[in-house]
Amino acid sequence: NAGVMQNPRHLVRRRGQEARLRCSPMKGHSHVYWYRQLPEEGLKFMVYLQKENIIDESGMPKERFSAEFPKEGPSILRIQQVVRGDSAAYFCASSPQRTQETQYFGPGTRLLVL
Amino acid sequence: GENVEQHPSTLSVQEGDSAVIKCTYSDSASNYFPWYKQELGKGPQLIIDIRSNVGEKKDQRIAVTLNKTAKHFSLHITETQPEDSAVYFCAASITGANNLFFGTGTRLTVIP
Repeated sequence: NAGVMQNPRHLVRRRGQEARLRCSPMKGHSHVYWYRQLPEEGLKFMVYLQKENIIDESGMPKERFSAEFPKEGPSILRIQQVVRGDSAAYFCASSPQRTQETQYFGPGTRLLVL
Repeated sequence: GENVEQHPSTLSVQEGDSAVIKCTYSDSASNYFPWYKQELGKGPQLIIDIRSNVGEKKDQRIAVTLNKTAKHFSLHITETQPEDSAVYFCAASITGANNLFFGTGTRLTVIP
């Protein structure tokens, strides 16, 4: 059973460009969570999605950030007009429907904004 | 919201010794407490978790204890090995809540 997949693993963008991060949950998992980790810090919750629904986006900045989890395909975290402060590791986690708290993490996407 | 504090931030132990990492939480409604191990350049890996109806849980060299009254929980690693070197994160969550609240991490170094 493949784990949570994320791509790309590394992403370099110039200020003002768009960053698009993808996450495929574990097979059978219908809950997806995105977290951001700044250097030497813990993970901070951004958004929680189920298929075709954003359930909780309370941790996501109101501007420039958006997330989706379509019926088919991976979940996407999109950052428009990136700034240097967006440089961080972005982790996706998924959980099975029956045990919502147990979250399994992907390897992350490390975003560097030049 | 929930606030999770973790200590120490760094910990060095000799191979074969034990390591203990402690966390406290603020919300008495929290009832799920996982521990994650993160190696350099990788995502957090769940190593053990405990729910509030249990006081202690053990899995080989790893154990976790929970004191609901004091609102703290601890990770114990016995007979440490160099491959245990990593950053360890504690977290807390409430049933039905949408996210985990993480501590700030402990960088464990096991010296051969």
